[in-house]
Amino acid sequence: EVVLTQSPATLSLSPGKRVTLSCGASQNVDSFLAWYQQKPGQAPRLLIYDASKRAAGIPARFSGSGSERDFLLTIDTLEPEDFGIYYCQQSRWPPFTFGPGTKVVFK
Amino acid sequence: QVQLVESGGGVVQPGRSLRLSCAASGFTFSNYPIHWVRQAPGKGLEWVVVMSSDGYNKYYADSVKGRFTVSRDNSKNTLDLQMNSLRHEDTAVYYCAKTWDGGLSVTGTLDYWGQGTVVTVSS
Repeated sequence: EVVLTQSPATLSLSPGKRVTLSCGASQNVDSFLAWYQQKPGQAPRLLIYDASKRAAGIPARFSGSGSERDFLLTIDTLEPEDFGIYYCQQSRWPPFTFGPGTKVVFK
Repeated sequence: QVQLVESGGGVVQPGRSLRLSCAASGFTFSNYPIHWVRQAPGKGLEWVVVMSSDGYNKYYADSVKGRFTVSRDNSKNTLDLQMNSLRHEDTAVYYCAKTWDGGLSVTGTLDYWGQGTVVTVSS
C-alpha cells in the first residue's frame, strides 16, 4: 500500500498570498497523483489529476507539479473561497490511498 | 449533467448489516469504474472499494475486505455496497464517486462525487 504524507498539517494565511502544499509518497507513483479540495459539509472536488493537469472548471491559480514520490500543489494569489482541506491521492494502484490532508485557514 | 446519489445510510448496531446504493445519471454508467470513499466524523478521506466498469474486477481496502461486497447493475445504473459485520469504526459518510477516465482499466482519479450517505454504527 502506498502511504501518502502531507505537509504542513495546517496553514494560516491571508488572501493574496501564494501557498505551496506538499505531498510525499512512500513509493514511486509516477505522475498518478490527484489533488482534491473539500469544504465543510461538502463532497471533495477534483482540482488536479496526473500530478499537473487541471480538472475542468478549476481556476488557473491552482497548479500541480512533481513526479515519482514528491508532489506540490500551488495556489497563486489565495482567494477567500480557497479555504478548506486539501487532500492528495495516488491513482496508480489500488488501494487508491489519500493523504491526511492540509487545512488552509484564513487569518 | 453528471449526478451520483447515495442512499441507504442509517443507524445500525455493531455486527449487523446495511446496504448502500449509488444511483448514477448524466453519463454512460457502464463505461466507468465507480468507487466508494468514506469519511469518519472529523477525519480524512478513506478509500474503500472500486468496481470495474464491467463488474469483473473489484478491489477493497484491507479495513473492509471480507466484510463489504460491491456490486453493480449496468442496466439500472446503480452500484451497491453490502456492508456486513459492521463495527463502530465503520461510522462515516459514504461517498460514491466516478472515475475520471472510462474503460475497463481501474484507475483512481475521481471527478464526480455524490453528496454522501451517513452510516452510524452504535449500540
